[in-house]
Amino acid sequence: DTGVSQNPRHKITKRGQNVTFRCDPISEHNRLYWYRQTLGQGPEFLTYFQNEAQLEKSRLLSDRFSAERPKGSFSTLEIQRTEQGDSAMYLCASSNVRDIPYEQYFGPGTRLTVT
Amino acid sequence: GQNIDQPTEMTATEGAIVQINCTYQTSGFNGLFWYQQHAGEAPTFLSYNVLDGLEEKGRFSSFLSRSKGYSYLLLKELQMKDSASYLCAVRDLSNVSSNSGYALNFGKGTSLLVTP
Repeated sequence: DTGVSQNPRHKITKRGQNVTFRCDPISEHNRLYWYRQTLGQGPEFLTYFQNEAQLEKSRLLSDRFSAERPKGSFSTLEIQRTEQGDSAMYLCASSNVRDIPYEQYFGPGTRLTVT
Repeated sequence: GQNIDQPTEMTATEGAIVQINCTYQTSGFNGLFWYQQHAGEAPTFLSYNVLDGLEEKGRFSSFLSRSKGYSYLLLKELQMKDSASYLCAVRDLSNVSSNSGYALNFGKGTSLLVTP
C-alpha cells in the first residue's frame, strides 16, 4: 500500500496527558499537511510542511500543539496537556509540488478521545 | 479568510441526478476542490476547477463560476455507494507571504443519502 498512513488509528487518553501521532506520506510527496476534523464539520487546516520546513501554522494551533518533520519524510504531531476540546479526528495529507493541481491525498486519520 | 457554504444534508433516489452547491468568498482564489468522505474514512479527491466552466469525470461533474463565487458538483446515475459527505474546499493565495496558499479551506460538507 503506497498511500498515506497514520498511527495510531485510535487514541484514548486522559485529560492532561501528552499524545503523539505519526504520519507517513506518499513517498515522493514533499508537502505534508495536518488537519483536524470534528463531527459534522469539514477538516480544519492546522499546519503545513514543505520538505522539513514548517511553512505555516494556523491560528487554531495553540502552543500545546507542535509538529515536526525532521527528515522531510514522516511527520509527528504532539499535543501536550490534552483537553477535552482536543477530541477530534486528526488527518494527515500529502501532495507533490510537481503534480498540478497539487491535490492532497489524505490518510485514514487518528481519532483522539480525551476523557 | 473565506466563507464556504454548502447545504448540510440532501437526499436523492438511486439512479437519479443530484446537484450539490457550494458558494465561497475569497480574495485570492486559486482553485476549488471537491472531496468525497464516507463515514469514518479519509476524504478522497473527486475534482478540481480553477477556470470557469464544467469539468466532467465519469458520473461526476463539477462546475465553477469565479465571478459568482459558486460551484456545484453533479452526480449522475446515483448509486447506493454514493451515500457520503461531499466536501467543497477552496485554495486561497491571498496570504502568499506566509506560504499559506497550499492549505485547503473546507466547507462543513453536505451529507448525501441515496435511497432505493
